[in-house]
Amino acid sequence: NAGVMQNPRHLVRRRGQEARLRCSPVKGHSHVYWYRQLPEEGLKFMVYLQKENIIDESGMPKERFSAEFPKEGPSILRIQQVVRGDSAAYFCASSLIDNEQFFGPGTRLTVL
Amino acid sequence: ELKVEQNPLFLSMQEGKNYTIYCNYSTTSDRLYWYRQDPGKSLESLFVLLSNGAVKQEGRLMASLDTKARLSTLHITAAVHDLSATYFCAGPPSAGGSEKLVFGKGTKLTVNP
Repeated sequence: NAGVMQNPRHLVRRRGQEARLRCSPVKGHSHVYWYRQLPEEGLKFMVYLQKENIIDESGMPKERFSAEFPKEGPSILRIQQVVRGDSAAYFCASSLIDNEQFFGPGTRLTVL
Repeated sequence: ELKVEQNPLFLSMQEGKNYTIYCNYSTTSDRLYWYRQDPGKSLESLFVLLSNGAVKQEGRLMASLDTKARLSTLHITAAVHDLSATYFCAGPPSAGGSEKLVFGKGTKLTVNP
């Protein structure tokens, strides 16, 4: 009974490179959420997706960040031209409709 | 926009003592979640509180929800070292929805032997 899976668990990028973070939800869950956590802070909502649809991206920076949840395969959070301020832990969560969210182990992004 | 405020943000206590963490929120959210996070780890769900007056207990932790006061509490009884972690409360921005959670800043609990 696999929970939410994220990979990679750790990702190091140099400034200007691209980062791709993957999230496979709990089997049967059709709702995916991405959150960002800066050191010593709580999680901040970024984007909420259902299969092939972005439902709420109010927490996503307007530039360089994008997310998708295709019909087949994992959800992807993509950060283009990373900067040092993007260094954070990125958590994915999944749920059934109107239900508790279950969190993955996170991807810790370090930008050099 | 929902605001979630936890206090205290840092809590150092001795084993065997009791303490309460408070979570105030600003909207008509009808549900409240408590999570635990160990350093470098993900969030572990502790409690889901779904209605006014809800009280749930698991081991030495007990959580309650008062939607009229917009307050949830997490009470720790006879703390042990293993409870050392950061505890977050979170809620949806409005009643009836689970889309996106708004988190408090967390309470970092250290239980000293």
